[in-house]
Amino acid sequence: GAVVSQHPSRVICKSGTSVKIECRSLDFQATTMFWYRQFPKQSLMLMATSNEGSKATYEQGVEKDKFLINHASLTLSTLTVASAHPEDSSFYICSARDPLGSGANVLTFGAGSRLTVL
Amino acid sequence: DAKTTQPTSMDCAEGRAANLPCNHSTISGNEYVYWYRQIHSQGPQYIIHGLKNNETNEMASLIITEDRKSSTLILPHATLRDTAVYYCIVRVAYTGTASKLTFGTGTRLQVTL
Repeated sequence: GAVVSQHPSRVICKSGTSVKIECRSLDFQATTMFWYRQFPKQSLMLMATSNEGSKATYEQGVEKDKFLINHASLTLSTLTVASAHPEDSSFYICSARDPLGSGANVLTFGAGSRLTVL
Repeated sequence: DAKTTQPTSMDCAEGRAANLPCNHSTISGNEYVYWYRQIHSQGPQYIIHGLKNNETNEMASLIITEDRKSSTLILPHATLRDTAVYYCIVRVAYTGTASKLTFGTGTRLQVTL
């Protein structure tokens, strides 16, 4: 089945540094990937839609200058948290759809990346 | 997208069937019912989806009422590894490019010995 890989799984950084999270579709090509954020004991919140070869589409209230998304190839999207602060500490999850899979809304999710900003 | 309502939490004994309900009374004719689950500290996992017929796969069964205003996800023999938050999502099934999914609060299923 479709596999989405995220790296790193955990990252701890100092306040003010930038952190990059990678999301790869391992056995399929994804023109669209989605980035979610999840705070403890809360549901997933969609941050942005990453489109290969074009600008990402951000959800209302998500700062595009803070959460930089690049989707340079059909198998890789990156999320960079610029100048991270403790309030950016969260669980970041990406997802993608296998176009040869079983449905338009059947998304495969990565295992997530837990960011802790000190 | 149609709004869904799920119980906040449920318990189930290991080996028994877990029946997770979902209400979606405002569902439109072209909207599917999708179920995902999220085990603690992992990414969500797709389980099953359906339009109006009951569906079954290796993970679960999905029972949709005739009026399509509610559905039930059935895990026939729950195990401890099925402890997770289960999300019921109603969405139009676009062909072509992927469409974003909006997650509600889901049902926290606790499977116990």
